[in-house]
Formats: sequence, C-alpha cells, structure tokens
Amino acid sequence: DGGITQSPKYLFRKEGQNVTLSCEQNLNHDAMYWYRQDPGQGLRLIYYSQIVNDFQKGDIAEGYSVSREKKESFPLTVTSAQKNPTAFYLCASSTRGELYNEQFFGPGTRLTVL
Amino acid sequence: GQNIDQPTEMTATEGAIVQINCTYQTSGFNGLFWYQQHAGEAPTFLSYNVLDGLEEKGRFSSFLSRSKGYSYLLLKELQMKDSASYLCAVGDSNYQLIWGAGTKLIIKP
Repeated sequence: DGGITQSPKYLFRKEGQNVTLSCEQNLNHDAMYWYRQDPGQGLRLIYYSQIVNDFQKGDIAEGYSVSREKKESFPLTVTSAQKNPTAFYLCASSTRGELYNEQFFGPGTRLTVL
Repeated sequence: GQNIDQPTEMTATEGAIVQINCTYQTSGFNGLFWYQQHAGEAPTFLSYNVLDGLEEKGRFSSFLSRSKGYSYLLLKELQMKDSASYLCAVGDSNYQLIWGAGTKLIIKP
C-alpha cells in the first residue's frame, strides 16, 4: 500500500536536546512538507522540498533543519534553538507543479519537551 | 498578503445540515481543498474545487465562487462522527497550499 509513514508517534525529549522526526513516503511524490500544529490552530509550514537535494524555508523555519537526500525521505530535526517545540508535527507529500496538488499526510508525531 | 478566513467553531445537531464558509485572498489560485481532521489525527482529503460551482460527494458538497474568493462546505444528515475540524486550503501561484486555521465542528445529539 502506498502512503506516508512517520515515526515515532509520540516523542519525549529533555530541554536542550536535538531530536529527529522521520518521514518516509512511497507515493513517488517529488514534493514533501513539514507542518507544525498547535492546539486549536491550523497548519503552519516549517520547511518544504520540491526535489531531491533542495528545500525551502516555510513560515516558521527557525530552530528546525531538514535534509532531502532521497526522494522517499524528508527527516526533520528539532534543534535546541527552537523555543517552544512541544507540538504535533505533520509530514505531507504531493506531486509538483501541477494544478491538482492534493497533499497526503502521515499520521503525525506528537513531540513533548519535558 | 495571503489570507484564508474560516469561523473558529460551529455547533450543529445530529441529522441536521451545516455550512462552513471559507473566504480567501491569495497570490494566484490553483484550486481549493477541504480536509477533515479528527482530534489528534492527520488531515484527510474531502473535496477539491477549481471551477465555479458545486461539487457533490455523498453527504458532503463543496461550492466555489472564484470571483468572490469564497467557498463553502456543506454537510448533510450530520452524524456524531462528523465532529472534527474542517480545514480550507488554497493552491497559490507556486502550487503551494495556503491553509486556513480550521473550523471546529461540534455535533450535539
């Protein structure tokens, strides 16, 4: 079955630690996205990538980093520089540069900083 | 700037009909999406409109007026499982999705 997987589903970290969230897709999509969602709020774009080895900052990139070494994978690192990292993180993918660009989402990772 | 507005919260009764509105101002327009998101879960696709008019899919319908920058999602025969947030998203000139904050729909028996 084609889809997007994110791991882990729940993640706890201590303040001052970096943590990496995994995102893998087998939909053969060129574009991948990372969003952050806080309680009662919409999706805010952190980073996106339209092609391998290239990525762009979204609206709230500070304190985060990404890589796109393979088409299938787009890991997100939450660094210690992120002031308020506790949130629900969603990874998505879509085709690129087409009119119909529905985004498909992974199940999400809930990160809690202790 | 780019902006998408939706009501924050709506309440409706089981079996009734509810209309969730979305207005948008974006740089370019490449279609409008509605997604459903249950608490703690990922958004799932409901509908897509790129031309003016009504798209019907079972109990759910979505309407678009490009000249007015307006869309609505119509939910009929409401069920308790329809309690969720409904997200409006617009494709801009770069084919990126601009997201509204979502409308939390509460269904009462």
